[in-house]
Amino acid sequence: GQNIDQPTEMTATEGAIVQINCTYQTSGFNGLFWYQQHAGEAPTFLSYNVLDGLEEKGRFSSFLSRSKGYSYLLLKELQMKDSASYLCAVMDSNYQLIWGAGTKLIIKP
Amino acid sequence: IAGITQAPTSQILAAGRRMTLRCTQDMRHNAMYWYRQDLGLGLRLIHYSNTAGTTGKGEVPDGYSVSRANTDDFPLTLASAVPSQTSVYFCASSESGGSTDTQYFGPGTRLTVL
Repeated sequence: GQNIDQPTEMTATEGAIVQINCTYQTSGFNGLFWYQQHAGEAPTFLSYNVLDGLEEKGRFSSFLSRSKGYSYLLLKELQMKDSASYLCAVMDSNYQLIWGAGTKLIIKP
Repeated sequence: IAGITQAPTSQILAAGRRMTLRCTQDMRHNAMYWYRQDLGLGLRLIHYSNTAGTTGKGEVPDGYSVSRANTDDFPLTLASAVPSQTSVYFCASSESGGSTDTQYFGPGTRLTVL
């Protein structure tokens, strides 16, 4: 079966750095996406990785290792507005996104 | 620019009733999707459409139907609602449905079936 695993909840301090991990087992791989979802709102796109390595976009970076079935999202200089759920999703061989349940990130002052 | 709109925002529905959730996008995207999101579970694909006139089944299609008469609209119909269909429903669209496509989401419809 297809499976995406990520921690249910994480807590971090304002101004700090946090790493949210995602491991996956899917039938085929056509890229990995990270989305941010604030409570009661729609998911919004953060990043896309299809090749191994690190993609940096401002305070957010995303890493992929296809051989390990592993990705992480790194958030630097945390702000209170970063409190949200972070969703990991993998595009499978049918070009359908398989979603993890999301990691709820709580930022404390 | 509206992006993707969904209606209604929320709805309480009696079991056995028929309900259509509306989704409209103005980005001229070819591909559209319907997901449901339940607490503790990832988004699950119900139905999708890669282009106007075609539709396909996702992971959890039972009890739902869709149509894609034109590029902009992708309604989701529950023929006879059941309590297990209580969920938040998101419509999304992407340019082509290909591997590098980013999906853009509507604001969601919160549906409660009693």
